[in-house]
Amino acid sequence: QSALTQPPSASGSSGQSVTISCAGTSSDFGDYDFVSWYQQHPGKAPKLIIYEVSKRPSGVPDRFSGSKSGNTASLTVSGLQAEDEADYYCCSYGGSTNVLFGGGTRVTVL
Amino acid sequence: EVQLVQSGPEVKKPGESLKISCQGSGSSLRNSWIAWVRQMPGKGLEWMGMIYPADSDTRYSPSFQGQVTISADKSINTAYLHWSSLRASDTAIYYCARRPWGIAEWYFDYWGQGTLLSVSS
Repeated sequence: QSALTQPPSASGSSGQSVTISCAGTSSDFGDYDFVSWYQQHPGKAPKLIIYEVSKRPSGVPDRFSGSKSGNTASLTVSGLQAEDEADYYCCSYGGSTNVLFGGGTRVTVL
Repeated sequence: EVQLVQSGPEVKKPGESLKISCQGSGSSLRNSWIAWVRQMPGKGLEWMGMIYPADSDTRYSPSFQGQVTISADKSINTAYLHWSSLRASDTAIYYCARRPWGIAEWYFDYWGQGTLLSVSS
């Protein structure tokens, strides 16, 4: 199984929204809703921002939302703020206790 | 709150062996998996495998099976990642991360600070 496919970059103006896609095959996502998203600032460890497709951990702003349709998951960041500029990675349980990450998307706030 | 503290940066030569560690704190670790994730310079995240320290049940990514060994010492809440013979291509940051125990818990909610490994002759 290859990594999940994300666009390498995305951008939006401050206050606007940006949506990042995460594409896989039916075997990558399976019949599961085990998609998570991570935010990583330069030189820092990744941080969980979405799990089980659309759930937010405590403390994550509701500006972050997730969804999934078929073999594509999406992360939307609404009301972009300067601190949202980071790399974002999707992740999915790929069956047989294998885990797949996407290649990552760098979000720039214009 | 769970905290994962990893061992410090390493500089090694090709062919050398190495074991890095990830020590957890917090009672919730008793029902947790500890995963290892590689990030090569300027690249994305790659899941290497994970261990359930309570019984040492270990799973590997097909890409890393046979390349590394994951182990744990439950008495000190510590997981390890071991190489028997390093290669220059092992140069990367290695993160440990907690996966909560449970059939539906396929995410990593706490991360270590990362261990930078540099392998060069």
